[in-house]
Amino acid sequence: KAGVTQTPRYLIKTRGQQVTLSCSPISGHRSVSWYQQTPGQGLQFLFEYFSETQRNKGNFPGRFSGRQFSNSRSEMNVSTLELGDSALYLCASSWGGEIQEFFGPGTRLTVL
Amino acid sequence: QKEVEQNSGPLSVPEGAIASLNCTYSDRGSQSFFWYRQYSGKSPELIMSIYSNGDKEDGRFTAQLNKASQYVSLLIRDSQPSDSATYLCAVRDAGGTSYGKLTFGQGTILTVHP
Repeated sequence: KAGVTQTPRYLIKTRGQQVTLSCSPISGHRSVSWYQQTPGQGLQFLFEYFSETQRNKGNFPGRFSGRQFSNSRSEMNVSTLELGDSALYLCASSWGGEIQEFFGPGTRLTVL
Repeated sequence: QKEVEQNSGPLSVPEGAIASLNCTYSDRGSQSFFWYRQYSGKSPELIMSIYSNGDKEDGRFTAQLNKASQYVSLLIRDSQPSDSATYLCAVRDAGGTSYGKLTFGQGTILTVHP
């Protein structure tokens, strides 16, 4: 069974731009969560989607948003990029968001 | 603020030894506990999950949970150089606010030297 896939794997943007990241969960998984990983803050939860609905949200500004499609694929968007948004963005999928999650390879975002 | 704390490390053990990784959590409502391994430049890989008090063994890995002490640990027996990685403890709460949300510790860097 194929794992979680994320595209693109690497991105370089400049301050003020916006970016969209994509995540395809494991087949049959309906929950997709997004995390940000930085050396200083570690892994932090952004939000979770299930059946196209956001069920949970972490403590990030409104510049961070997401959505989920009917095939469970998810996208996250970051608008008005700041230098501090440089991070590894990880997507994780699970059956229903309540048990174990499996991570994709991540998207490395660099903001210049 | 719910917190997950791990022994700071880095932890260095010789090949063949037992590596012991520890984690404490602040929220008594936490229900699910996970250990992830992350190699440098890679994403976290789930290696153990534990939901009830006691020990859970899987190959060379044993997870231990004590909810009364709010403590979870991971033992790696017969450590191998390939076990060298950062180990992340993750905790999920019960209830609706837990959907998809794992709270992670900062990680413990483990080095197994030949």
